[in-house]
Amino acid sequence: ETGVTQSPTHLIKTRGQQVTLRCSSQSGHNTVSWYQQALGQGPQFIFQYYREEENGRGNFPPRFSGLQFPNYSSELNVNALELDDSALYLCASSLDLGNTIYFGEGSWLTVV
Amino acid sequence: GESVGLHLPTLSVQEGDNSIINCAYSNSASDYFIWYKQESGKGPQFIIDIRSNMDKRQGQRVTVLLNKTVKHLSLQIAATQPGDSAVYFCAEQYNFNKFYFGSGTKLNVKP
Repeated sequence: ETGVTQSPTHLIKTRGQQVTLRCSSQSGHNTVSWYQQALGQGPQFIFQYYREEENGRGNFPPRFSGLQFPNYSSELNVNALELDDSALYLCASSLDLGNTIYFGEGSWLTVV
Repeated sequence: GESVGLHLPTLSVQEGDNSIINCAYSNSASDYFIWYKQESGKGPQFIIDIRSNMDKRQGQRVTVLLNKTVKHLSLQIAATQPGDSAVYFCAEQYNFNKFYFGSGTKLNVKP
């Protein structure tokens, strides 16, 4: 158990809809990163938040957006869902930048 | 760059044998590396890490070796057990930012 919790664990959405995924970081961790993992592939970096500010973004379109709250929990929002957005979305937290990141169990998103 | 590659997509070993999983990374500026284990349906689990100022680091039954000259990372698992069966990822980081992951190596442990 890493102490990183994500919700929901599974969800199904229709193409064009919007989705919000949530993450509670490990106690004391002020940095949260989001990754997308397609089936059979390694996690791909979406973006990172450090003390409520975005600190780096991967090669994902603007319809992927996020937030980090004062308690360091975080949300990932995806608008205008596409079929290719179907994946496991992973949240990872760490204490400050440049340290080990610990993953939650992920949210499985299926877009139909 | 963003390519962290693995030489072997699938590795089969006999229970009790030692396993070696290899990883090539592309960015010579990467300064922090982590090995993760991912079981089916679960998130990646931290195994061991190493920073670029080290060549070797040992944990319980696991050892990570870093060869910066050829940009190569390996994970050695001693006395491999059935519970070690999973997909293993190496990840590299530079500039205190994102981690780049390879596509993973599946380890099958035969009883």
